[in-house]
Amino acid sequence: QKEVEQNSGPLSVPEGAIASLNCTYSDRGSQSFFWYRQYSGKSPELIMFIYSNGDKEDGRFTAQLNKASQYVSLLIRDSQPSDSATYLCAVNSMDSSYKLIFGSGTRLLVRP
Amino acid sequence: GAVVSQHPSRVICKSGTSVKIECRSLDFQATTMFWYRQFPKQSLMLMATSNEGSKATYEQGVEKDKFLINHASLTLSTLTVTSAHPEDSSFYICSASPGTGGFGGTYNEQFFGPGTRLTVL
Repeated sequence: QKEVEQNSGPLSVPEGAIASLNCTYSDRGSQSFFWYRQYSGKSPELIMFIYSNGDKEDGRFTAQLNKASQYVSLLIRDSQPSDSATYLCAVNSMDSSYKLIFGSGTRLLVRP
Repeated sequence: GAVVSQHPSRVICKSGTSVKIECRSLDFQATTMFWYRQFPKQSLMLMATSNEGSKATYEQGVEKDKFLINHASLTLSTLTVTSAHPEDSSFYICSASPGTGGFGGTYNEQFFGPGTRLTVL
């Protein structure tokens, strides 16, 4: 079982819709959760991080964490074509390093 | 804030040569820096973790003698690909973490450099 799992997609949504990206993780002790966006040919860019159960909002982005279900999601409201990218979910490693364990990413396509 | 630079952005070299890539945290001190490799349409693959002043920790399957990492200061880490071959052609990306507080539910966020595209002919 992979430590961090994401649906590879592509997830296709029309412009203006809400895009919902999901991620599950295997280690129940994980405490830090991150969403990165990666455009084709570019390096990842940190969008949001969340540590506590519940929702965290930042502009059009909302991260949701449910530790009991080992589930973290990212909602993008009013999706724009410029949001088309691969979204990477990352979870802190449970060893003593500062490593993050990355999912393989979900490709999002926002149709104009 | 949290800007990480990487140099060069693109390099083309002949097989058998060595290539050095620099990674700098510009506005914060990086407790830990990481080196990743990414092949086209594939996931990020962590190669190694480096802490200032100590030896890097390499992931399983990564040749430490081929990928030399030096973390000379809290703002600079270098990756040298020695005797590069065409199969080493890839997108190499560094990241840096301020790493406050230590292990156990505190910050682990990583900030990525723009990447270096290596082509070995």
